[in-house]
Order: sequence, then C-alpha cells, then structure tokens
Amino acid sequence: DVKVTQSSRYLVKRTGEKVFLECVQDMDHENMFWYRQDPGLGLRLIYFSYDVKMKEKGDIPEGYSVSREKKERFSLILESASTNQTSMYLCASSLEGDNQPQHFGDGTRLSIL
Amino acid sequence: AQSVAQPEDQVNVAEGNPLTVKCTYSVSGNPYLFWYVQYPNRGLQFLLKYITGDNLVKGSYGFEAEFNKSQTSFHLKKPSALVSDSALYFCAVRDIPAGSYQLTFGKGTKLSVIP
Repeated sequence: DVKVTQSSRYLVKRTGEKVFLECVQDMDHENMFWYRQDPGLGLRLIYFSYDVKMKEKGDIPEGYSVSREKKERFSLILESASTNQTSMYLCASSLEGDNQPQHFGDGTRLSIL
Repeated sequence: AQSVAQPEDQVNVAEGNPLTVKCTYSVSGNPYLFWYVQYPNRGLQFLLKYITGDNLVKGSYGFEAEFNKSQTSFHLKKPSALVSDSALYFCAVRDIPAGSYQLTFGKGTKLSVIP
C-alpha cells in the first residue's frame, strides 16, 4: 500500500511565523501535490512537483512556496503566516502519467493565531 | 478550462437503499474522471476512475460509477448503502490532453446513511 505521511496532524503557529509542512511518500512516485481544503470550497491546489527540484504553481500559490530536494519528500512553506492560511493541508502523490490516481496523506490541520 | 460540479451538498439515504452521488463536468477535450472518499479526520481515498472504454466503472467497497458523455456526468452509485458509507465524497476531473497533472475537484457531497 502507498503511504503518504504528513509530519504533523495538528499545528498552531502565530501570525508572521515561517511555517514548514513536511510530506513523505514511500512508493517512489514522481508526482507530489499540496492542497488546502476549506469547508464549502473543496480542495484547491497550491503547488505540485513532477520531479526533484521541479515545481509548478497551482490555483492558489500566493503566500506559499515549496521545496523538493529528494524524490520522496515535498515541503510546503508559509513564508509569513497569516490568519487566512488557517486550513486543512493535504499532501498527495502519484505515479507519472495523467490517468494515475493520487494518494493522500491524512492532512495537517493548521491554525494561525 | 476544466471544471466539475457536485450539485448536492448533502445526500441522505436509508441503510439498505440504493445511493447516488451526482457529478457533472466540463472539459474542452475528453475527460479522465475520479471519485474519492474522505472519512472524518482522514485524507482522501481513491475509489474508482474512468479513463476510456466501458461506461460503467466498478471500484472499491462495492461502489460503481456511470460515465455519460452526452450528459457530461459521472454519478457514483451503490446498490445497497451501509452506515459505514457515511463520509464526504469528491468527484475530480482532468482534461485530455492536459499537458499538466492538475486535477480539479468538486466541492464535495456529504453522504449520510441512516440506520
């Protein structure tokens, strides 16, 4: 079974802090994704990566950056956290190929105070 | 541009009855279509996908979905609902050719199966 592990289930940070969310997958998947999930809005793509050191912006990249130094690890960075970034963050991975399903981690519920 | 709509925020069904969760999509070419389920405090789990071929797709936990090109729909179905099916269900679409791995998700439908 594919396992996508997000480092924290719950995280509380303060406005202005730099926040790191970590995601690791164990199935040698080429593609990795970061989404945020908000009630009534569904999932919105922040960034994705199709290879090491490669990244592409999703629908809502503003205020975020990402890092993929190793194939199995994809980090989401909030450069200067703001209260409107309070959300559930979901990481996913998939094999190369545009008909491959994505496999999700259990999410990090982030609160910015 | 690709988009997907789930017209019902919530669906209630009695245990043992058939269930349907609706999804319609819009793409410029042909679609890849996916259904996912999310249980409380968990990530999304893949249920099934339509790529090409047979319009009736069978997936995990007894779920199936019917692709209807003329109605641009991909409704999720199960012949007999279980209480344990209560969860949040997401439909997702990718346009072909996409040139991108980006999926577009619907806003989700909360399914409640009543004992």
